[in-house]
Amino acid sequence: LAKTTQPVSMDSYEGQEVNITCSHNNIATNDYITWYQQFPSQGPRFIIQGYKTKVTNEVASLFIPADRKSSTLSLPRVSLSDTAVYYCPLSGGYQKVTFGTGTKLQVIP
Amino acid sequence: GAVVSQHPSRVICKSGTSVKIECRSLDFQATTMFWYRQFPKQSLMLMATSNEGSKATYEQGVEKDKFLINHASLTLSTLTVTSAHPEDSSFYICSARDPGLAGADEQFFGPGTRLTVL
Repeated sequence: LAKTTQPVSMDSYEGQEVNITCSHNNIATNDYITWYQQFPSQGPRFIIQGYKTKVTNEVASLFIPADRKSSTLSLPRVSLSDTAVYYCPLSGGYQKVTFGTGTKLQVIP
Repeated sequence: GAVVSQHPSRVICKSGTSVKIECRSLDFQATTMFWYRQFPKQSLMLMATSNEGSKATYEQGVEKDKFLINHASLTLSTLTVTSAHPEDSSFYICSARDPGLAGADEQFFGPGTRLTVL
């Protein structure tokens, strides 16, 4: 399974846009890129998923360059409640999903 | 989105006893469910893949005789921690895919079960 690499932690002030990058140099052709949010003592929550280019939903945007070797999760105008750990596992073809270390985002008032 | 539940949400047991954790897909049928374990301040570690009607597939280093997985129906998978010891104390999370979602590969996660072994 392709490995993903993310920054361990990030800080941001409330109201700012936050971009979290995930590197996946060995992504397979059939892999999707999915981002999850996890609060302490809770299961991960789906944020967004994409295969290539840009995907946007009501909570975030996901940017994937043409070579698909990285992806960037963009959270517009973060609030204190966005403080969490964010993961970007790869998955494809109903194979198992392996989580990397995740990025701990701390939103500061 | 699809909903996955877990029961119990937290359990405390004595060393040497067995504990069963249930994972249910509430509004879809899941032929495959996954079990993860998460220690404090660490990422999720995949323990095993649970397949309905067949034996589970365990990840390297996970003792299949200690962590018994049963996927008896399309909506229920159970994880039994046998002869639990304090080092088994952890946060156990299950997930499932909804095969009805065409073109996507999203997993739906349960809320997790906090196991504390005294």
